[in-house]
Parts: sequence; structure tokens; C-alpha cells
Amino acid sequence: QVRLQESGPGLVNPSGTVSLTCAVSGASIRSGSWWSWVRQPPGKGLEWIGEISHSGTTDFNPSLKSRVTISIDKSKNQLSLKMISVTAADTAVYYCATYCRGGQCYWALWDWGQGTLVTVSS
Amino acid sequence: QSALTQPASVSGSPGQSITISCTGTRSDIGAYKYVSWYRQHPGKAPQLMIYDVSQRPSGVSNRFSGSKSGNTASLTISGLQAEDEADYYCCSYASSRSYVFGHGTKVTVL
Repeated sequence: QVRLQESGPGLVNPSGTVSLTCAVSGASIRSGSWWSWVRQPPGKGLEWIGEISHSGTTDFNPSLKSRVTISIDKSKNQLSLKMISVTAADTAVYYCATYCRGGQCYWALWDWGQGTLVTVSS
Repeated sequence: QSALTQPASVSGSPGQSITISCTGTRSDIGAYKYVSWYRQHPGKAPQLMIYDVSQRPSGVSNRFSGSKSGNTASLTISGLQAEDEADYYCCSYASSRSYVFGHGTKVTVL
């Protein structure tokens, strides 16, 4: 079973940039796969941020598209999220997740990391 | 895109059945068979409970079932147990090549 481990700075200044990574083990980003980022503000619901395929194809939440970049690093078997011009509204737990299980991909998120909290504050 | 509409809370006694509704539009739930449901216990990551409207991942109890009619999807939990107390989120693929989650429903076992 795939394991996902998010990591990031924890605290970011307003108007700054959030850069997160998600280390993948138990699966290869090189093979046919899709990966996603989802966030959850404290005490609130889930919000889909975007996704990326093993080949680098991306899709984004229209409301975040102008500020978000998602990329993969096959040599490190990890994916990354970068969000610019952050505000307090971007304070959330950020999760990475995968659509694939057992060599097949679906339209649902099967395995999730434990999440990393990003706080936007000066 | 707007979040899917779910009731804020649903409750039931042990052994009872409850149903959580999830209402979207013709651009998401109404257009695709790609509705999924997630359970989230406090402080934990979400767990996939249902995918493709009504399919259960291996290891998920058959007490969980999903369905869809028009722009509304539903999750039914039968034989309610204490461990079912959690937040539940629906999610649908949308025509904007993205996904949209519901606001979430807090399930309380009385």
C-alpha cells in the first residue's frame, strides 16, 4: 500500500509563498498514476486544490488556478505544491492523496497522507 | 464552482440506519458517475468509503452503501455503530475538469 508524507514550512508570512512536498513510498510516480492536493481549513470542510499525472498533466480548482503550481520529481518520487500570494484564508491542513490503487486509477482518492498544517500569519 | 450541499448534521441510535444527502448540479453530480464519499475522524486524514457512486473499497463494511438520482447522491449507513461517529464528505467530478467536495456532515451516534 502506498504511503504519503507531506512536509512544509508550518508558518508562512502573508503575501508569501507556500511550498509543500509529498514523499511517496510503496508506489512509483514514474508509472501510470495520478496525484492530488486537498486542503482543510481548521474546523472547516475539504477543498480540492488540483491534481497531476505521472506525465505532468495538471488540472486545478478554478478558484485557485492562478496561484497554484503542482509538479512531480520522478528522481525523488515526490510531488510538490506551490501557492503564491497567500493570505490568512489559506491557513489549512494540506493533504496529498492518490487516485490509484493496485495498478488501477479511479475517480476517487484512495490513499492520503496525514496532512501538514500551514499557518499564514505575520 | 460551488461546494456540494450536505446537511450539517445527522444523528441516529446504534443499530439504526441513516442517510446523508449530497446535492449538486447538472455540471457535477448530475453529469458524472464519479461520486465518492469519505469518512474523517477528528484529527485524522479522510478515508475513502464509496467510489463511483456505489462501489465499496475492499475492507469497507457492507453497512455503507451509495446511490445517486439526478443531481443528488446519498450515503446510507445501516446498523449504525459508535465507530461511525465522524464527519462525512461527498465529492464529485465536475465539468470544469476538477473535483468539488460537499460541506461535510457530522454524524452523531446517540
